[in-house]
Amino acid sequence: IAGITQAPTSQILAAGRRMTLRCTQDMRHNAMYWYRQDLGLGLRLIHYSNTAGTTGKGEVPDGYSVSRANTDDFPLTLASAVPSQTSVYFCASSDGSNTEAFFGQGTRLTVV
Amino acid sequence: GQNIDQPTEMTATEGAIVQINCTYQTSGFNGLFWYQQHAGEAPTFLSYNVLDGLEEKGRFSSFLSRSKGYSYLLLKELQMKDSASYLCAVRPRMDSSYKLIFGSGTRLLVRP
Repeated sequence: IAGITQAPTSQILAAGRRMTLRCTQDMRHNAMYWYRQDLGLGLRLIHYSNTAGTTGKGEVPDGYSVSRANTDDFPLTLASAVPSQTSVYFCASSDGSNTEAFFGQGTRLTVV
Repeated sequence: GQNIDQPTEMTATEGAIVQINCTYQTSGFNGLFWYQQHAGEAPTFLSYNVLDGLEEKGRFSSFLSRSKGYSYLLLKELQMKDSASYLCAVRPRMDSSYKLIFGSGTRLLVRP
């Protein structure tokens, strides 16, 4: 089934550990995004990529890094996890400026 | 900066009509999106407005006034399954970025 896939679905992580959340899409979309969603705060943009080889900072980029080596993959890395990074993380993709974004099913991350 | 405001919660009765408002102040404007998100699930696309006026899709309609920085989502003939969060998102026109910025969402409860 075509779409956008995130892994893992959920994870409990010790503070200070490094973690990479994976995101893959097979729709050949140019743009990809990472959001975190916390109760009462809605979806906040962490990083985005307009096209393979380029990335940009969103609203809350600190503590996170991304790479976009190819069109399909957009991993999000937490170099040294902290409890405030406990959240639900959504990856999304879109095919241009006037098209909607499609979302993955999310990764629930708990940092203890 | 970007600022998108929506009411936090709304309650409505099955079969009725509800209007969810969204106001925005962004650096440029390249479209406004409405998404629906059921608890524990990913957001799904409902509607897109880039020009002033009303877009209708079945029971759902969305309106945009760019001069007022204002949009609303209208849900008619409410059903119990419409209980969900409704997210307003704006794509600012900045450096050809495809960034999509979300408001905090409106949680709608539909009662029998």
